[in-house]
Amino acid sequence: ELKVEQNPLFLSMQEGKNYTIYCNYSTTSDRLYWYRQDPGKSLESLFVLLSNGAVKQEGRLMASLDTKARLSTLHITAAVHDLSATYFCAVDLIQGAQKLVFGQGTRLTINP
Amino acid sequence: NAGVTQTPKFQVLKTGQSMTLQCAQDMNHNSMYWYRQDPGMGLRLIYYSASEGTTDKGEVPNGYNVSRLNKREFSLRLESAAPSQTSVYFCASSDIAAANTEAFFGQGTRLTVV
Repeated sequence: ELKVEQNPLFLSMQEGKNYTIYCNYSTTSDRLYWYRQDPGKSLESLFVLLSNGAVKQEGRLMASLDTKARLSTLHITAAVHDLSATYFCAVDLIQGAQKLVFGQGTRLTINP
Repeated sequence: NAGVTQTPKFQVLKTGQSMTLQCAQDMNHNSMYWYRQDPGMGLRLIYYSASEGTTDKGEVPNGYNVSRLNKREFSLRLESAAPSQTSVYFCASSDIAAANTEAFFGQGTRLTVV
């Protein structure tokens, strides 16, 4: 059974600081996705990571994938309040089928 | 661009009632999915349809049925609602033939069973 674990589950930080969210998964996969969810809203795709060593950046967010360690990270640089949201990582249960197994989510609060 | 559209957005049911959640996508995607999201948890896959005419169970299928009506539409039916089915339901679609792609999600249906 594929398990996906995120940590931390809750993160409160100051604007301007850097932090990293970790996503560990239990079986071999080379496809990992990061989504953002605002309260009461749908999921917005942030990154698609498709191979070992993949690194993608968008603004203050950077995601990476290490398939050998079964680990992905989402790094936040110089956080701003607008990045407050819940962030989910998800792994394909069957590669390419988009049958996603989600982590529990990391609720990020950025204080002015 | 509407993307993935779900109806209704909110619903309250009494235990034992039935209802169908509707989902339609306009992105010409082959694959569609139903997930549920419970507080403090990530989304869990209920059913999916890899292509028109096919459906298969996901992680938590008990108490649900689905119909892939055509390429655009994928409905989720609760035959006899139970309080444990109180949740937010998300429909998603994806073009799994494209390598560098992701699933796109609807706005969700918030269902309460009393």
